[in-house]
Amino acid sequence: AQTIHQWPVAEIKAVGSPLSLGCTIKGKSSPNLYWYWQATGGTLQQLFYSITVGQVESVVQLNLSASRPKDDQFILSTEKLLLSHSGFYLCAWSLDRSNTEVFFGKGTRLTVV
Amino acid sequence: TQTVSQSDAHVTVFEGDSVELRCNYSYGGSIYLSWYIQHHGRGLQFLLKYYSGNPVVQGVNGFEAEFSKSDSSFHLRKASVHWSDSAVYFCAVSATSGSWQLIFGSGTQLTVMP
Repeated sequence: AQTIHQWPVAEIKAVGSPLSLGCTIKGKSSPNLYWYWQATGGTLQQLFYSITVGQVESVVQLNLSASRPKDDQFILSTEKLLLSHSGFYLCAWSLDRSNTEVFFGKGTRLTVV
Repeated sequence: TQTVSQSDAHVTVFEGDSVELRCNYSYGGSIYLSWYIQHHGRGLQFLLKYYSGNPVVQGVNGFEAEFSKSDSSFHLRKASVHWSDSAVYFCAVSATSGSWQLIFGSGTQLTVMP
């Protein structure tokens, strides 16, 4: 069975500090990987997607970056946090191009103070 | 540009009632449509999807959705809700070619009263 693990579960960080969120998918080779951001009580905004190792495409510009150093790992980061970065970050994977059945991690709650 | 509209931010029903959560989309090309559920503070779980064929698709836990091209809609329904169905429901659309983006609606909070 495939599992998706996100870390950390929650973070409280200061404005201007760096951030690194991680995601690991086990049990599935060469998945398509995604990062989503959800404001409190809001909809989901796709941030990045990756089809293969080393390749990441940005969907929106939020002063964040993403990397895929291994087939099963997806990292979201920034060198300098803004208050607007607060929210819920979800990592997800899918098998194919149809992108209709996407499997989500449990998310990371980020509070920037 | 693809857009997804969920006109009802909140829906409240009683246990055993039927419910319909509305979703309308705007897109000129071929698309996939899907519904997801998010329980409070958790990740999303896939419910069902539609691409072609029978416009009524069955999902998990007794949910079904009906596609209507003429109305540009993909409404989610359940005949008899349970308190555990209380959650936020998101409709989503993605194009069959081009962008890899999955676009979500704003979500509908379903509250099932005992």
